[in-house]
Amino acid sequence: EAQVTQNPRYLITVTGKKLTVTCSQNMNHEYMSWYRQDPGLGLRQIYYSMNVEVTDKGDVPEGYKVSRKEKRNFPLILESPSPNQTSLYFCASSLITGKAVGKLFFGSGTQLSVL
Amino acid sequence: RKEVEQDPGPFNVPEGATVAFNCTYSNSASQSFFWYRQDCRKEPKLLMSVYSSGNEDGRFTAQLNRASQYISLLIRDSKLSDSATYLCVVNPSGGSQGNLIFGKGTKLSVKP
Repeated sequence: EAQVTQNPRYLITVTGKKLTVTCSQNMNHEYMSWYRQDPGLGLRQIYYSMNVEVTDKGDVPEGYKVSRKEKRNFPLILESPSPNQTSLYFCASSLITGKAVGKLFFGSGTQLSVL
Repeated sequence: RKEVEQDPGPFNVPEGATVAFNCTYSNSASQSFFWYRQDCRKEPKLLMSVYSSGNEDGRFTAQLNRASQYISLLIRDSKLSDSATYLCVVNPSGGSQGNLIFGKGTKLSVKP
């Protein structure tokens, strides 16, 4: 089954404790991206990747890191989480063919709480 | 002017009604436009791409107005299952760039 898999689904942590949210897709998509969703603010893009070893900042990259060492994986790293990073996070992927970026396939989301 | 704007609603409509949402965008060079549907705290799912010529999929019709810089979504014969938040997505740089901008969404509630 074609899918984007995020783990964990829920995560509670404390300020300053490094964490990684994993994202994997089995559709051979070139494009992958991370978003956070907060009430009243909608979905905001954190980072995106157009292909292996190519990453770019989105609108809210501060406090986050990503890597794209393999095509299928795009982990989101919070080196020193803070309470303002408490949010619902989504990973997404897409093919890149002509205007194909935007037909996104999303993971089920990760609800992160930083205490 | 914000990059992508939507009326947050909620739009409360009876079953069978026709409802329309608009989404305005600020970057006139934008090339790619989409409508996504999101149920409460679930992942967004693609509803429709929006083409210059407009497109229709069953009860759903999407239109693009480049002159006025907005896209629209029309839902005919609303069903209870259409209740959701509808997100407008714009790629301001065209399909070859990855910086996608989401609207904050329009909430639709269809009542019996």
